[in-house]
Amino acid sequence: GAVVSQHPSRVICKSGTSVKIECRSLDFQATTMFWYRQFPKQSLMLMATSNEGSKATYEQGVEKDKFLINHASLTLSTLTVTSAHPEDSSFYICSAPPSGLGNNEQFFGPGTRLTVL
Amino acid sequence: AQSVTQLDSHVSVSEGTPVLLRCNYSSSYSPSLFWYVQHPNKGLQLLLKYTSAATLVKGINGFEAEFKKSETSFHLTKPSAHMSDAAEYFCVGNAGNMLTFGGGTRLMVKP
Repeated sequence: GAVVSQHPSRVICKSGTSVKIECRSLDFQATTMFWYRQFPKQSLMLMATSNEGSKATYEQGVEKDKFLINHASLTLSTLTVTSAHPEDSSFYICSAPPSGLGNNEQFFGPGTRLTVL
Repeated sequence: AQSVTQLDSHVSVSEGTPVLLRCNYSSSYSPSLFWYVQHPNKGLQLLLKYTSAATLVKGINGFEAEFKKSETSFHLTKPSAHMSDAAEYFCVGNAGNMLTFGGGTRLMVKP
């Protein structure tokens, strides 16, 4: 099956710093990627939809200036958590549907564990 | 709009006994439905998917699920639980690339 990678898998940072998380589709193109946040013992919550060549679409309650998304190419989307605070500590997961498919499978990255001290 | 409801937040079974994880969906049309498994600090792994072909879907690791339109259900089953099945399971609906997640069910397997 298709592979989606995320980097880094874990990151620890100080409060006030910025952290960039990469999501790559390794063997397929994805014009759209999705970013999720998962708090402990909870389900995934969609944060935003990343669109190649255009602005991301953010879900209600997600600050676009805090969570910067850049979909630079058909295989790469980045999520930057700016001025991170301890409450931003979470598990961040991306997913990508292969371009052209509608209701079919999406492929998930392995996740990035962010800890803000 | 669609919604996906997992009826049990926790399920505990003994090793070797059957597993039943329940999922109901509501949608104005039949979505694609998936079951994913997530082990601690890991991403989501696809177990199986329903995309309007056969209503009984067989997946990996001995899991299967049956799509029942009359009951709007897509319950996940396995005849015999293994210790390695202990994980979080998510029922997910997909309509137009927008995923709707169930709340998750934590499966615990007792020796």
